[in-house]
Amino acid sequence: EAGVTQFPSHSVIEKGQTVTLRCDPISGHDNLYWYRRVMGKEIKFLLHFVKESKQDESGMPNNRFLAERTGGTYSTLKVQPAELEDSGVYFCASSQDLVRVPGGELFFGEGSRLTVL
Amino acid sequence: DQQVKQNSPSLSVQEGRISILNCDYTNSMFDYFLWYKKYPAEGPTFLISISSIKDKNEDGRFTVFLNKSAKHLSLHIVPSQPGDSAVYFCAATNKPGSGNTGKLIFGQGTTLQVKP
Repeated sequence: EAGVTQFPSHSVIEKGQTVTLRCDPISGHDNLYWYRRVMGKEIKFLLHFVKESKQDESGMPNNRFLAERTGGTYSTLKVQPAELEDSGVYFCASSQDLVRVPGGELFFGEGSRLTVL
Repeated sequence: DQQVKQNSPSLSVQEGRISILNCDYTNSMFDYFLWYKKYPAEGPTFLISISSIKDKNEDGRFTVFLNKSAKHLSLHIVPSQPGDSAVYFCAATNKPGSGNTGKLIFGQGTTLQVKP
């Protein structure tokens, strides 16, 4: 069974440009999360989808970030325009259920490293 | 305002000895805690969890202890092996409901090095 896959693994862009990160969750997982880790700090929650609906987007930094999950399958996270402080590793994770119940284990992708110059 | 803190950025232990990784939290609404392990260039992987109704959970070489009054948890690895060298993240979550959808709040991570 394929795990959570993320693309690209690394992206280097200039300040002001646009980048779109993609996440393919494990098949059948309704819950999809985006997290970000900046410069060796904590892994911060960005948002949570259940199928195609945004359940919680309280962690999104500002309106330069747009996440979508059309059809409840893969998800994209677009940063437009990118700023220097957006640099970091963006992790996608998926789960069949909430993490506290059986089957709710959260599976992470390898992350997309974004460098904004 | 960081709700989950891992105050030790790194830890080095000898193979075969015990590794103790610590984590503190401030939010008394947290009732479920997890540890994740992360190797370089990989995503975090689930290691072990504990509910707030317990004070200890054990899985093989890994044991998590929870002290609710002190808002502190720790991960013990006994015996430590070189393959355990990784970054360990502590995470916490609230009960579902009241606007909480089960998101995890992570600490900064502790880099464990186990020397042969």
